[in-house]
This record gives sequence, C-alpha cells and structure tokens, in this order.
Amino acid sequence: GAGVSQSPSNKVTEKGKDVELRCDPISGHTALYWYRQSLGQGLEFLIYFQGNSAPDKSGLPSDRFSAERTGGSVSTLTIQRTQQEDSAVYLCASTRRQGPTDTQYFGPGTRLTVL
Amino acid sequence: ILNVEQSPQSLHVQEGDSTNFTCSFPSSNFYALHWYRWETAKSPEALFVMTLNGDEKKKGRISATLNTKEGYSYLYIKGSQPEDSATYLCVIRAARGSGTYKYIFGTGTRLKVLA
Repeated sequence: GAGVSQSPSNKVTEKGKDVELRCDPISGHTALYWYRQSLGQGLEFLIYFQGNSAPDKSGLPSDRFSAERTGGSVSTLTIQRTQQEDSAVYLCASTRRQGPTDTQYFGPGTRLTVL
Repeated sequence: ILNVEQSPQSLHVQEGDSTNFTCSFPSSNFYALHWYRWETAKSPEALFVMTLNGDEKKKGRISATLNTKEGYSYLYIKGSQPEDSATYLCVIRAARGSGTYKYIFGTGTRLKVLA
C-alpha cells in the first residue's frame, strides 16, 4: 500500500512569500503530525491532528504558521511571509490510532529554502 | 518538559565493527520508546517499539534494550556495514494527561560506517 506522501519535495522561495506544503497520510490513519528539522537540529513538533478533535497547535512557532486537515485526510501546512529561519525539512507523519505503541509512518519530507 | 538525550551525536566506525549508542530519558510519564533509522533523503523508518522494563528487541544485526527504571535504552549494531550509515532516532511516547500522548524526539546519533 502507499505510504505517506508529501509535496513538493523541494521548495525554494523568496523571503516574504507564502508557501503551502501538502501531506497525504496513509489511508485510514486517524492521526497526522507535522514536524520540521532545521539544519543541525532535532525534529521539532509543529502540529497534531487526531480525528475530528481540535488540533494541537502548541508547536507552531508563530502565527505565520497554520495547518488544516480536510476530510480527515490530506493536510496542508501554510507558512505566510516566509523568513530565512523557516528554511528546514518539513516532515509529515501519520499513525493508525493514538495509542502509546503506535508507530509513526513518515513521509519523505519537503525541503524548504527561503532566500 | 521531557528531554530525550542521545549519545554520541555522531560516530564513525569501520566496516565489521560492532557499535552501540544510548538514549536517555526521564522515566516519569513514560509509555513507550521507539527507535527509527533515518537515511539521508529518505523517510525515517521504524525499527523497534518497546514498552516494558527489560524489553529486548532484535532485527537482523540490530538489537535494542530498554531500562525504564533508570531511563535509558541501548541500540546495538553487530558487524556494521556501510548500508547501516544513517541517523538513529530515539522517540519517547509520554503521557500528557486526558488519555493523550505526545512524541518526544531525541536529536539522533549519526552513524557513518567506513568501508
């Protein structure tokens, strides 16, 4: 079966522009996570969706970041007025449920470069 | 705030050498520990999930142990091969109340196996 897919794989943008990153989770997975990894840093949690519950946005670094998940499936992470410090690899992951042993399945990531 | 520490940050070993690395975590609120392997330009891939003190898991030449009382896990690679070169991520699943959990990522150990 298909894994988690993300698009685009690479995005180069100019400072101040808006970008949209897309994540298509594994079919039937109820939970979806966004993370980012800046150069030399570990994975940083951004936002989490679980079913129809309100998303956990506690990791979003500023109000320029937002995300939505339509129909409990595809998710879009939007970064408005991008800054150079937004340059990172943005990873999406999904899990079947929300239990403690549920394995996260990761997409290949989107490498964002803000010039 | 729970902190997951991995050591060493990076290491180089010769092909055929055995190696191991450590993941340390606070044992409070612990529910599960996941090990992932993350090769460059690929998605993180799940290796093991462990929940019980004393758990040991094995997959080919890679094995892992868990000590929840003292808060550490070891990952062992026997007879390292160049294809083992990757970043090995330790992820803790911790309770955050209301029956929900969060993933806390270590910064990873970058392994390079030299032919």
